[in-house]
Amino acid sequence: DQQVKQNSPSLSVQEGRISILNCDYTNSMFDYFLWYKKYPAEGPTFLISISSIKDKNEDGRFTVFLNKSAKHLSLHIVPSQPGDSAVYFCAALKETGNQFYFGTGTSLTVIP
Amino acid sequence: EPEVTQTPSHQVTQMGQEVILRCVPISNHLYFYWYRQILGQKVEFLVSFYNNEISEKSEIFDDQFSVERPDGSNFTLKIRSTKLEDSAMYFCASTSAGADYGYTFGSGTRLTVV
Repeated sequence: DQQVKQNSPSLSVQEGRISILNCDYTNSMFDYFLWYKKYPAEGPTFLISISSIKDKNEDGRFTVFLNKSAKHLSLHIVPSQPGDSAVYFCAALKETGNQFYFGTGTSLTVIP
Repeated sequence: EPEVTQTPSHQVTQMGQEVILRCVPISNHLYFYWYRQILGQKVEFLVSFYNNEISEKSEIFDDQFSVERPDGSNFTLKIRSTKLEDSAMYFCASTSAGADYGYTFGSGTRLTVV
């Protein structure tokens, strides 16, 4: 059962505009969420995280929003840059476990 | 929905021992991968596997590591003689066509070498 879902496999955005990547989860036991960025033939790189006690976390151009009631999180990148073109994964963790639950990824293309 | 299954979720092994991490990828996927994440560090690519052979491997994937798809369903990572620095989370992933956005990750095996 896919407990973390990224329903958009791809997204194209013009340089300078906002990129919004979405992630939905089903398990209310998740209490920590992460976004990873991945280039081809490399491992995912940690980008930003958020604890369930918060609804927003910001780091430079990257902001993650968490809506616990909707079981939804999103990653905003603004302004988008061509170097942001990569695959983005969201992942979730339960407080009690050390197992990661990954979404299937969204491929972001930022058009110069 | 189909998922990638990894077993065990946590394995403790003594230094120098061999360990086999197991993964069952999604049945119609063709490309298989192993990654690892040492605590507090980035996720690192280890190896990719397609058509019953390694298609790409990283510098980490030395002679101590091997992968196998012994029976058409399991995809295993073997570490022949574990070292303390092999302690990490190991993730298996699969895709249907090698396209990055089609990845499905397993939930990981935490390997602790003592």
